[in-house]
Amino acid sequence: SQQGEEDPQALSIQEGENATMNCSYKTSINNLQWYRQNSGRGLVHLILIRSNEREKHSGRLRVTLDTSKKSSSLLITASRAADTASYFCATVTTSGTYKYIFGTGTRLKVLA
Amino acid sequence: SAVISQKPSRDICQRGTSLTIQCQVDSQVTMMFWYRQQPGQSLTLIATANQGSEATYESGFVIDKFPISRPNLTFSTLTVSNMSPEDSSIYLCSATDGNYGYTFGSGTRLTVV
Repeated sequence: SQQGEEDPQALSIQEGENATMNCSYKTSINNLQWYRQNSGRGLVHLILIRSNEREKHSGRLRVTLDTSKKSSSLLITASRAADTASYFCATVTTSGTYKYIFGTGTRLKVLA
Repeated sequence: SAVISQKPSRDICQRGTSLTIQCQVDSQVTMMFWYRQQPGQSLTLIATANQGSEATYESGFVIDKFPISRPNLTFSTLTVSNMSPEDSSIYLCSATDGNYGYTFGSGTRLTVV
């Protein structure tokens, strides 16, 4: 079963605009990661945020984590056409199994 | 992070046959996992491949349909048995060194006709 639910399911924006995707999960986590996937190809790791962290940045990416609400958000600033992809959050629980459970994903389309 | 070589990258198979997918990691890893991604969907965990013992399957997946081997710390195989068109998916392996460094193979796109 899916651990994370993401919204929106699909997002279409103009180049230069910001894109925000949200992920909610159900159980206590050790960490949460965001991945990008282009057209059904391999997954690209974007950011890992640990349960004791609230915010992380990497280039144009900003991830926040609110463990009290069991939610995370991914913000892509100044989007580009090349950012068009599906974005997934993935969580690993505190049970120590190391297995990641993926969210439902957000399909982002950036229009040039 | 470890690098995973996964093969085949794609295959078209006849229903009723079986396909074995291989993943080779360039370093020893603590754990390996197999995922399925059905068309337009997210990734679903099939099982954890345990070194030297039977894999641990998630709900809805069984060993008879998806036998998994992991003979050592760098190699694992997933077999999709007695295939039907519903098995058409992308299958991905992944590995972790136990410090939450997590790597994915490039995936196997399977089409069953």
